[in-house]
Amino acid sequence: AQTVTQSQPEMSVQEAETVTLSCTYDTSESDYYLFWYKQPPSRQMILVIRQEAYKQQNATENRFSVNFQKAAKSFSLKISDSQLGDAAMYFCAYRSAKGSNYQLIWGAGTKLIIKP
Amino acid sequence: DSGVTQTPKHLITATGQRVTLRCSPRSGDLSVYWYQQSLDQGLQFLIQYYNGEERAKGNILERFSAQQFPDLHSELNLSSLELGDSALYFCASSPHHLGEKLFFGSGTQLSVL
Repeated sequence: AQTVTQSQPEMSVQEAETVTLSCTYDTSESDYYLFWYKQPPSRQMILVIRQEAYKQQNATENRFSVNFQKAAKSFSLKISDSQLGDAAMYFCAYRSAKGSNYQLIWGAGTKLIIKP
Repeated sequence: DSGVTQTPKHLITATGQRVTLRCSPRSGDLSVYWYQQSLDQGLQFLIQYYNGEERAKGNILERFSAQQFPDLHSELNLSSLELGDSALYFCASSPHHLGEKLFFGSGTQLSVL
């Protein structure tokens, strides 16, 4: 069974600085997707970024980028120029690309605090 | 706004009761997913429907059931409620069954007293 581990329960960063959130996963599959979701105090789960395992190029969305290391099964999220609105819980998630069950498997989350 | 609507936002009930949570997916999305978020178990997939039919099942208790109607809205029914069922229940939708990109509602916070 696949698992997702986020080893940092909480991280803090000064506004305008850069922060990296860690995520590791375990799978025997070669084809899958990885996601970072953000959950602000409003509770809504918002997709931040998505990575296809078959792509070597790291995904980027504006100030958000990932460092995808397939061999190491690592998928970290880098947030550049941190803003107060980035404060939230961040969840790493895994989804198989095969079979008929496309459920997301989630990490425990990392609480990101932005210091003004 | 994701376009996914969940009602009610908050629900307080007693043990042994039955409740129904409702989800309206984004316009055009055929797939609906239900997730449970609790403090002790984190986020867990419950069930997926695609165009009215059950597509995948996760850690859903037998006391829980769901369905997707012809207009594509979905309902999650929770019965014989226990204290441990208190959680945030999310609905998400996607255009097709592959779920490559999910759009989440803001959830229903269920408190069982």
